Amino acid sequence: ETGVTQTPRHLVMGMTNKKSLKCEQHLGHNAMYWYKQSAKKPLELMFVYNFKEQTENNSVPSRFSPECPNSSHLFLHLHTLQPEDSALYLCASSQESKNTDTQYFGPGTRLTVL
Amino acid sequence: GDSVTQMEGPVTLSEEAFLTINCTYTATGYPSLFWYVQYPGEGLQLLLKATKADDKGSNKGFEATYRKETTSFHLEKGSVQVSDSAVYFCALSDFGQNFVFGPGTRLSVLP
Repeated sequence: ETGVTQTPRHLVMGMTNKKSLKCEQHLGHNAMYWYKQSAKKPLELMFVYNFKEQTENNSVPSRFSPECPNSSHLFLHLHTLQPEDSALYLCASSQESKNTDTQYFGPGTRLTVL
Repeated sequence: GDSVTQMEGPVTLSEEAFLTINCTYTATGYPSLFWYVQYPGEGLQLLLKATKADDKGSNKGFEATYRKETTSFHLEKGSVQVSDSAVYFCALSDFGQNFVFGPGTRLSVLP
């Protein structure tokens, strides 16, 4: 499945580092999403972009900064993270947000904050 | 808002056993219903879906039927394999709402 790709697949960073996660979708979709998946917690929706406009920010700390330059690309910029931010970060896309479309997921970036 | 409830498990079965993972939902509209599967170290993959009442989604031997009268979308497989060991997520999508996921059910299949 190469419809949604994410890089890097694994990332280890210190609390003072700045890094970025990248997501790209090749499905012609207009909506893109960032989710956080922590051990033993439900999937958490972080951000939603629909036609390049951010339509959802679920009370995510400002140390996470999304960017959506076009409908095919989505970034998550990371700055001064905490160890509790260690998780699997999943990107997804769908035709549009808030309707009955299917979401397609990337393989995720496993982030470890030391 | 809409919600999804599923058995959390873990579920442990022997190879070739019958699998059922229960999923029920609440929704104000007419949602589409999905099952996703997550293998270790990977993202979520769409397993099957149904878009209206009485539809049956099927894939890789798995089936689920959209039951509006019982607001359910139970996942079944007649004979599981070790390779089916994964976490299974029930989900719905509806107009005006973000995707809603259940908590996931971990399945372990023993040889």
